[in-house]
Amino acid sequence: GAGVSQTPSNKVTEKGKYVELRCDPISGHTALYWYRQSLGQGPEFLIYFQGTGAADDSGLPNDRFFAVRPEGSVSTLKIQRTERGDSAVYLCASSLTSDSVTQYFGPGTRLLVL
Amino acid sequence: AQKITQTQPGMFVQEKEAVTLDCTYDTSDPSYGLFWYKQPSSGEMIFLIYQGSYDQQNATEGRYSLNFQKARKSANLVISASQLGDSAMYFCAMREGRAGNMLTFGGGTRLMVKP
Repeated sequence: GAGVSQTPSNKVTEKGKYVELRCDPISGHTALYWYRQSLGQGPEFLIYFQGTGAADDSGLPNDRFFAVRPEGSVSTLKIQRTERGDSAVYLCASSLTSDSVTQYFGPGTRLLVL
Repeated sequence: AQKITQTQPGMFVQEKEAVTLDCTYDTSDPSYGLFWYKQPSSGEMIFLIYQGSYDQQNATEGRYSLNFQKARKSANLVISASQLGDSAMYFCAMREGRAGNMLTFGGGTRLMVKP
């Protein structure tokens, strides 16, 4: 079966631009997570969705970052006025329910802000 | 304070030998779960093994086992009979009951298997 997919796989943008990163979770998974992984570090939590609503957005670094999941499936992470420090790999994960032990990760989107 | 600490930035192991990757954690929550993920150069995080804080026995999954020492707050990963394909980054992570569903990751250990 299909795993978590993320598009684009790579994104290069200029400082100040707006970007959207897309995550398609495993079919039927109700919980969806976004993490950010900077070079040489472990992933850091950004936001978690249960269904359509953001159940926990405590990891979003500032108000330039926003995420939506309007129909409870695909999610989009939106970054406004990008900064060079936003350069990282953005990982998406999903789990069957919010109580499920295992989160299944996608391949990530590598964002480079010039 | 770091919640997850992996003190080995890099490790070498000879093919077919066993290797232990260290992980210590810090939490005051009595309910928590500990995870190990593998991240090959392709970038995808692959779930390997899980240990719940109330589990009485150490978790095992094929060649992977988790040496859970609750009093010492350690959750080391043991890989038996290493294979060349085991070369990757390995991350220890924790989910705390009070913190919801987010995973907190350590800094990772790069494992290199020598032929």
